[in-house]
Amino acid sequence: SQQGEEDPQALSIQEGENATMNCSYKTSINNLQWYRQNSGRGLVHLILIRSNEREKHSGRLRVTLDTSKKSSSLLITASRAADTASYFCATDADTNAGKSTFGDGTTLTVKP
Amino acid sequence: GAGVSQSPSNKVTEKGKDVELRCDPISGHTALYWYRQSLGQGLEFLIYFQGNSAPDKSGLPSDRFSAERTGGSVSTLTIQRTQQEDSAVYLCASSGRNSYNEQFFGPGTRLTVL
Repeated sequence: SQQGEEDPQALSIQEGENATMNCSYKTSINNLQWYRQNSGRGLVHLILIRSNEREKHSGRLRVTLDTSKKSSSLLITASRAADTASYFCATDADTNAGKSTFGDGTTLTVKP
Repeated sequence: GAGVSQSPSNKVTEKGKDVELRCDPISGHTALYWYRQSLGQGLEFLIYFQGNSAPDKSGLPSDRFSAERTGGSVSTLTIQRTQQEDSAVYLCASSGRNSYNEQFFGPGTRLTVL
């Protein structure tokens, strides 16, 4: 089974609202990354948070990590229609191994 | 600079035929990954190359799947005797050693097996 599991599977909001997506994982990690995928395209890296970090910001993105609960959340503030995409978390249990494990993603729809 | 490129962008083949998918990683990236993504699903890890180390083939679903990486750069994913369940988007990604495994993805190859 996948290491990372996103919740919810699908999310629909109005433009201007905030969107929160969650990711849970099973084993200890060195870092966790969030990626975005527009329909029919490759994934784009959004943000990386290391296991010793609790929160990180990048523009309208805010990521939190709770290693005790083995979970992370991605918050997109003041959403725009262009934020419509699928969002995936990926965990690295061992950076030397280099094998990230991706979840099934959250599909976000932002209505204008 | 140039990103990860993949070819072809689309491939339609008949059941039982062999196909080859190509990935050109970002120059200088030591790691290369192949993933498979079925419609509406997450990424399924297939294989991982890191420098001159033996590849991690643990994700290959059957012995019909194989991959090579020549000269530490270009990689080819080969699927022999394709089946309809092989239909998916095949994504390639590369990363540099010092980038905490931030992966840069290609646009993918959409494979359809009739």
